Amino acid sequence: SQTIHQWPATLVQPVGSPLSLECTVEGTSNPNLYWYRQAAGRGLQLLFYSVGIGQISSEVPQNLSASRPQDRQFILSSKKLLLSDSGFYLCAWSRLGGTGELFFGEGSRLTVL
Amino acid sequence: GENVEQHPSTLSVQEGDSAVIKCTYSDSASNYFPWYKQELGKRPQLIIDIRSNVGEKKDQRIAVTLNKTAKHFSLHITETQPEDSAVYFCAKGGTGFQKLVFGTGTRLLVSP
Repeated sequence: SQTIHQWPATLVQPVGSPLSLECTVEGTSNPNLYWYRQAAGRGLQLLFYSVGIGQISSEVPQNLSASRPQDRQFILSSKKLLLSDSGFYLCAWSRLGGTGELFFGEGSRLTVL
Repeated sequence: GENVEQHPSTLSVQEGDSAVIKCTYSDSASNYFPWYKQELGKRPQLIIDIRSNVGEKKDQRIAVTLNKTAKHFSLHITETQPEDSAVYFCAKGGTGFQKLVFGTGTRLLVSP
């Protein structure tokens, strides 16, 4: 069976510090990978998606970047966090050529102080 | 054409009542419309979805209807139970690669 792991679950960081959130999918190959941010009252906002190693598409201009160094690994990063980066970050995957269903990780709650 | 409008933002019902959540969109390319349920502190999970070649789909107490001409789709929950309390998100996607755009969510509270 397929599983998705995302860490850390919670993170408190000062403004200006770096960020690294990691996501790993197991039990499948060539998944489509996604990073979403969930803010109160704004639903799930797509930040980045990837259809393959090294292929990253950004949906919104922001202070964040994403990388996919391996087929089933997706990393969300920032060099210098802003207060506005606080939120709940969700990694997700879908099957290549599948039904379209997204499978979400458990989320990472980031608080920037 | 990217956004999905979702209403209401909050919905309170008594146990046993029905609940309806509606979403509207504006583009013509979208043909996949899933609904996700997110319980407090948990990850969103797919509960039902519909494709544009179908007008209605039902799974036990939940159903989704799609009016592609009017560009709106709705989630219907009948005989609501307290465990239905959660945030529900609608979403839309196109053919091929699934880059889902989500609505802003509806917080459903079912009181016993």
